[in-house]
Amino acid sequence: QITLKESGPTLVKPTQTLTLTCNVSGVSLSTSGVGVGWIRQPPGKALEWLALIYWNDDKRCSPSLKSRLTITKDTSRNQVVLTMTNMDPVDTATYYCAHSPLTYYYDSSGYSISGYYFDFWGQGTLVTVSS
Amino acid sequence: QSALTQPPSASGSPGQSVTISCTGTSSDVGGYNYVSWYQHHPGKAPKLMIYEVTKRPSGVPDRFSGSKSGNTASLTVSGLQVEDEADYYCNSYAGRSNLVFGGGTKLTVL
Repeated sequence: QITLKESGPTLVKPTQTLTLTCNVSGVSLSTSGVGVGWIRQPPGKALEWLALIYWNDDKRCSPSLKSRLTITKDTSRNQVVLTMTNMDPVDTATYYCAHSPLTYYYDSSGYSISGYYFDFWGQGTLVTVSS
Repeated sequence: QSALTQPPSASGSPGQSVTISCTGTSSDVGGYNYVSWYQHHPGKAPKLMIYEVTKRPSGVPDRFSGSKSGNTASLTVSGLQVEDEADYYCNSYAGRSNLVFGGGTKLTVL
């Protein structure tokens, strides 16, 4: 069973940089096909995808936040780290990390990819941005 | 990237069926078969219910099904049960490894 747990500060000040860590258990971040993403949910609002990183260090970030986001992984600690710069009160949200598998295969249609979904989620961590 | 459009609310009585729509564009929902659906009970972690439009993870009841027509994907919950009351979000691949969520639908079991 794959489990994920987010950790980081509960309160940050405007303009500060947020650093969140996702500890992953049950699968190695170096295993082919493993990906971990970050998703957030402001209070009373919808989910928003932030970033993804795969076993091969392929990284993707939301275009609207790309300039502020950095996603990295520490394979030795089996952790994924998200940093977000220049925090603002509108960034107040519950931040989730989630496992996202990616598989390449051949079928009758030829070369295909299975992925782009989140099958295991952490419980989330609430980050408040306030002075 | 604009969020996918979902109705803010949906409802049904126990035993009935309800369908939640998720409308995007040809650049996301209509262009790829990578639509997923998540059930979210407040205060808990979201749960994957459907992936790649129609596939159901093990452990998800077959009362939940997914489909797609053009730029609109749908989640159908048959035989509604009280525990199905939750928020539901769709998500789609949007090209260049970008992902976009819908605005969410609050499902009420009357």
